[in-house]
Amino acid sequence: QQQVKQSPQSLIVQKGGISIINCAYENTAFDYFPWYQQFPGKGPALLIAIRPDVSEKKEGRFTISFNKSAKQFSLHIMDSQPGDSATYFCAASLKRARNFGNEKLTFGTGTRLTIIP
Amino acid sequence: NAGVTQTPKFQVLKTGQSMTLQCAQDMNHEYMSWYRQDPGMGLRLIHYSVGAGITDQGEVPNGYNVSRSTTEDFPLRLLSAAPSQTSVYFCASSILGSHEQYFGPGTRLTVT
Repeated sequence: QQQVKQSPQSLIVQKGGISIINCAYENTAFDYFPWYQQFPGKGPALLIAIRPDVSEKKEGRFTISFNKSAKQFSLHIMDSQPGDSATYFCAASLKRARNFGNEKLTFGTGTRLTIIP
Repeated sequence: NAGVTQTPKFQVLKTGQSMTLQCAQDMNHEYMSWYRQDPGMGLRLIHYSVGAGITDQGEVPNGYNVSRSTTEDFPLRLLSAAPSQTSVYFCASSILGSHEQYFGPGTRLTVT
């Protein structure tokens, strides 16, 4: 049972274009939605994250759009650059009881993004 | 600050062999976890720990054991390796209550 569905599996975008990766989730109790970026041979690293009380979060060229009613969220990369070529994972987590936070992540299947000159 | 370190980087095992993947962090993070990454399946949680002496199962725990005797170390043990355990394994850590997990560089394991 896949709780976070990610598409597309791979994406090729021209330099300067907009890259868009989509995710959908099933569990309405999820309350934290991060995106991780992974370069070949490296571990994933947190890129940007959003909570469901806002519909959009922007950090530089990266924007998360969040649609709570549709249970969907997406990553937009504006002015895509060759250095953005990487695998991107969306994820979601629940807030646990007491002092525990959003550590336990459920990941999507990943999108391999290639930016061509 | 070395962050999260994993050893070895690569390992080849024969079916039935056992081994331990090492993970250490020097950030004094309470939360540590192990994921496996397989093509088309993303990262799946194997085991996690919220502090020394406390561990719990994740999504795919079968065939793996963990222990957490110190805050710094969180080894993953394969009891009897199977070809289905061929994967890239990542260890991650975070401050308890924080949203950002820090991943190690991974261990690529092949079981023949």
